Amino acid sequence: GIQVEQSPPDLILQEGANSTLRCNFSDSVNNLQWFHQNPWGQLINLFYIPSGTKQNGRLSATTVATERYSLLYISSSQTTDSGVYFCAVGEDSNYQLIWGAGTKLIIKP
Amino acid sequence: ETGVTQTPRHLVMGMTNKKSLKCEQHLGHNAMYWYKQSAKKPLELMFVYNFKEQTENNSVPSRFSPECPNSSHLFLHLHTLQPEDSALYLCASSQNLGTGGETQYFGPGTRLLVL
Repeated sequence: GIQVEQSPPDLILQEGANSTLRCNFSDSVNNLQWFHQNPWGQLINLFYIPSGTKQNGRLSATTVATERYSLLYISSSQTTDSGVYFCAVGEDSNYQLIWGAGTKLIIKP
Repeated sequence: ETGVTQTPRHLVMGMTNKKSLKCEQHLGHNAMYWYKQSAKKPLELMFVYNFKEQTENNSVPSRFSPECPNSSHLFLHLHTLQPEDSALYLCASSQNLGTGGETQYFGPGTRLLVL
């Protein structure tokens, strides 16, 4: 099955800094989503982005499907950005999402 | 607020207890999911329901028993659990069950501790 690797596993930044999170996947996908899980466990979908680039406020994401990776950019980080960011992918023939292990982001005030 | 609610938010139970987790979605979705999230591990899909019918059971032990009485409600009945079942249990829903990129909406989770 598809393997999903996220890097870095942990990231600690000062408020105001920018960050880039990476998701590598081992095979072609038709579904790629980024999620944020806050410290209390709530998971929120950030982007559905199997290819191309999208932006939503301070967050943007780019997926290069031919090279099998996706990047999540967070600009001007705020303490509320803290939490774990997950990448999840899906294959053509399967509705199940395959999840990465996540990047734990801590933004210090 | 994602439109998916879960109760209880926290649960402590002994290995001989029976308890149930409840999930409700107010989004008019047709598919619902149970996930288990253990520390330091990726999310594990447990069960999937589509239009109230179970479409997936990912080799989950029988001490976990799901129930989906309608498209808006999903239960997870627990009995004779083991300490290693302690985890965050997440419910999610999506409009449909498809391969075209259905966005999943998650509830806040139930944090379960088995003593």
